[in-house]
Amino acid sequence: NAGVTQTPKFQVLKTGQSMTLQCAQDMNHEYMSWYRQDPGMGLRLIHYSVGAGITDQGEVPNGYNVSRSTTEDFPLRLLSAAPSQTSVYFCASSGNRALYGYTFGSGTRLTVV
Amino acid sequence: RKEVEQDPGPFNVPEGATVAFNCTYSNSASQSFFWYRQDCRKEPKLLMSVYSSGNEDGRFTAQLNRASQYISLLIRDSKLSDSATYLCVVNARRSQGNLIFGKGTKLSVKP
Repeated sequence: NAGVTQTPKFQVLKTGQSMTLQCAQDMNHEYMSWYRQDPGMGLRLIHYSVGAGITDQGEVPNGYNVSRSTTEDFPLRLLSAAPSQTSVYFCASSGNRALYGYTFGSGTRLTVV
Repeated sequence: RKEVEQDPGPFNVPEGATVAFNCTYSNSASQSFFWYRQDCRKEPKLLMSVYSSGNEDGRFTAQLNRASQYISLLIRDSKLSDSATYLCVVNARRSQGNLIFGKGTKLSVKP
């Protein structure tokens, strides 16, 4: 049982490039979320999903797209990377309508130069 | 008022000390409350959920005061391994699945 798996663990992008951060969970959780964590800012919600085919915006959605075609996968797309998107990105999932909190992946450290 | 506010810390305590973390939240309709811990350069991990009646897990005790919109975490007999950042988490008003994190309080337990 792998839990929440994020790939890649590290990535360097040039300004303007696009990429997809992958997230997969094998716990059959209906809820999945993407957070970014920056020094002094704490964890901020980018997008979340309460089930396949359903997504919604969080606190900082600009510059990011998501889709949820399956229960297992919730990729995060950076459309045109900017230095302000340099951050640590965490994917998380939860069952039982998040009543018992989220389980996090180990994160992706992204640097945009 | 920010949605979730915590003591800024850091807290530096000796081994064996009792330490308390406080947190306030702004959404009176919130239904789910949690404490997470995060080690340096690691992902957050659920420490415990917080229930209205208060709950305990070994050396850790969590309390919730809905009237004051206040959450606390008490760590007794602190260990070196308790050194981490402690995050207060509350669900947002729009969706049960939308969790709002406080900025965290850093704890350092010294020998």
